[in-house]
Amino acid sequence: EVQLLESGGSLVQPGGSLRLSCAASGFTFSFHAMSWVRQAPGKGLEWVSTIGASGDITYYADSVKGRFTISRDNSKNTLFLQMNSLRAEDTAAYYCAKRSHASGSYAADYWGQGTLVTVSS
Amino acid sequence: QSVLTQPPSASGTPGQSVTISCSGSSSNIRSNYVYWYQQFPGTAPKLLFGPDSQRPSGVPDRFSGSKSGTSASLAISGLRSEDEADYYCAAWDDSLNVEVFGTGTKVTVL
Repeated sequence: EVQLLESGGSLVQPGGSLRLSCAASGFTFSFHAMSWVRQAPGKGLEWVSTIGASGDITYYADSVKGRFTISRDNSKNTLFLQMNSLRAEDTAAYYCAKRSHASGSYAADYWGQGTLVTVSS
Repeated sequence: QSVLTQPPSASGTPGQSVTISCSGSSSNIRSNYVYWYQQFPGTAPKLLFGPDSQRPSGVPDRFSGSKSGTSASLAISGLRSEDEADYYCAAWDDSLNVEVFGTGTKVTVL
């Protein structure tokens, strides 16, 4: 059974940093691209970032480019999102999602339950 | 960043059919697969269609998808109360090298 377990969300002040983790199990992690997708309270889904299966290709939404860094440790089946210079508008539930293919342009076929990031003073 | 445009809401009575549109551009919908996701309040999104419109196990065949040019559609036939949820389309954008999501449609069963 595929499982994705996010952690690391919390309350942080504007300008602060946070590192999210997503522990994956139930599939061959190194064969699949992975993504982070967020959802602000009461709003729709917003794609944040995608990393290829081997970790050598990354993509970012303009809203986070230069502030967030996606990475993965295939030896530990874990996905990360380093978030720096956080802003109030980054407040959201952050979902980890598995892609159905090594390429990030394919479906997000499994999602974690999300971790909440709140940016506020 | 560009988004795909969906109607904010759609509704129908039990047994009826509902269709949700998703409008994009040549660099996303025309060029790539379109995926649809279902989300119930307070829960994570769930994939309704995989590559080549493959339906993940557990997704009833009442749900179907189509695409024409720069638009896509999700059809729900035989509407049931448990279909009340938010629905999102998504596609990769080749020009921007980003994934774009639809604005979301809330389906209500009257």
